[in-house]
Amino acid sequence: NAGVTQTPKFRVLKTGQSMTLLCAQDMNHEYMYWYRQDPGMGLRLIHYSVGEGTTAKGEVPDGYNVSRLKKQNFLLGLESAAPSQTSVYFCASRTGTGRGSNQPQHFGDGTRLSIL
Amino acid sequence: AQSVSQHNHHVILSEAASLELGCNYSYGGTVNLFWYVQYPGQHLQLLLKYFSGDPLVKGIKGFEAEFIKSKFSFNLRKPSVQWSDTAEYFCAVNPYNNNDMRFGAGTRLTVKP
Repeated sequence: NAGVTQTPKFRVLKTGQSMTLLCAQDMNHEYMYWYRQDPGMGLRLIHYSVGEGTTAKGEVPDGYNVSRLKKQNFLLGLESAAPSQTSVYFCASRTGTGRGSNQPQHFGDGTRLSIL
Repeated sequence: AQSVSQHNHHVILSEAASLELGCNYSYGGTVNLFWYVQYPGQHLQLLLKYFSGDPLVKGIKGFEAEFIKSKFSFNLRKPSVQWSDTAEYFCAVNPYNNNDMRFGAGTRLTVKP
C-alpha cells in the first residue's frame, strides 16, 4: 500500500519554465491538498480538492493551478516559475465526508523544487 | 483571518527532560485539532488528534496534548524526551465548517543525548 506518492522528488527549473507536480493516492480518499513548506512558515495551503472534478483556492494560490481529473490524482502546475516558488511541496489526502472532518491528512514525501 | 500560533521556534532539551510545546489558534467556532511530527528528511506523520470528549488526548510515542477551550490552546507534552524525538512539530487546526486545515509555523525540537 503506497499511500500518497509524489513525483518528482527533486527538480531544478529556470525562471519562466513550466512544470507539473503529480500526486497520486491509493486510499480512495475524497479530499486532496497541496501545500508548500518554507523555513519558519510551516505549511501553507496552495489549493485543495473535495472530490473528482473540483478544486478550490487555499491560502497562497497565486502562480499555481491544479486539476483533479481522476479521484486518485491531484496535479499542481506552475505555468511560469519564479524564484519565490522555490520550496518543498507536499501533497496530502484524507477521507471523511463533509466539512471539518476529524480525519487526519496523510502526506507524501514531498517534492523539493528550486527555481533559478 | 484564522491562524495557528506556535510560540517556540526552536527548543533544545537534554534527554529525559520534560517537554511542552505551545499551540494557540484564533478560530472561535468548533475545531478539530492535530499535532504532526516531521522527522528529518521525512514527511509529516500524525502524533495525535482531538475532536471531542476528554480534552486530554494521548498519542503515539508517549506524547499527549491538552485542549483548553477557554484559552484556545492545544499544547503538546511529553514527560521524558528521547534523542529520537528530535524533529519538527506542527500544530494544525481544521475548523468544523471548513474544508481546509491551517498549520502553525512549526517548532524544531533538538534533544541532546
